[in-house]
Amino acid sequence: DTAVSQTPKYLVTQMGNDKSIKCEQNLGHDTMYWYKQDSKKFLKIMFSYNNKELIINETVPNRFSPKSPDKAHLNLHINSLELGDSAVYFCASSRGLAGVQFFGPGTRLTVL
Amino acid sequence: AQTVTQSQPEMSVQEAETVTLSCTYDTSESDYYLFWYKQPPSRQMILVIRQEAYKQQNATENRFSVNFQKAAKSFSLKISDSQLGDAAMYFCAYIKGGSEKLVFGKGTKLTVNP
Repeated sequence: DTAVSQTPKYLVTQMGNDKSIKCEQNLGHDTMYWYKQDSKKFLKIMFSYNNKELIINETVPNRFSPKSPDKAHLNLHINSLELGDSAVYFCASSRGLAGVQFFGPGTRLTVL
Repeated sequence: AQTVTQSQPEMSVQEAETVTLSCTYDTSESDYYLFWYKQPPSRQMILVIRQEAYKQQNATENRFSVNFQKAAKSFSLKISDSQLGDAAMYFCAYIKGGSEKLVFGKGTKLTVNP
């Protein structure tokens, strides 16, 4: 009965590879997000989707492409991974605008 | 742009004691919401408490309460009767009404000493 789930929880890969992180929420929320938490624990929003439409894109490199097949899913695909992409990526969801955001368990991405 | 400042990178408290974590924010908006999230070593982000800017009454959730000073743009978190399980990073966050963009502070690492 997990509210917001992410897979995988850990991802170790080589520079230059392409990888995807999947997110699913079963809360019936209409808005989903991707956040990046860097090595200093700073959390910053990357993307926001409302009813499958992109609402926020916070100057994220084009190598990052979110995809929302339906309101319950928001996946993150990363092309040509770089060392600086190493971080914890969190998915979150909320009901409506400024609703409380519920977070997934995070995916720790390590790029070697 | 809205900013959230947590001036205490680290704090410590004795078990059963009370601790207050500071947070200030900068905004010109009148409609906004403030949050405290907890991130234990498991890295799960857990909502602790939420405050609507239009409400004068300070939010409380069991041992957690806030001191919301709207004019001073201050939003501190008080943890009473601290428990070992309260040890975590605590993040203060702000969101403008009608927006999806949650802005986080840099966090305060709380240690609870037995």
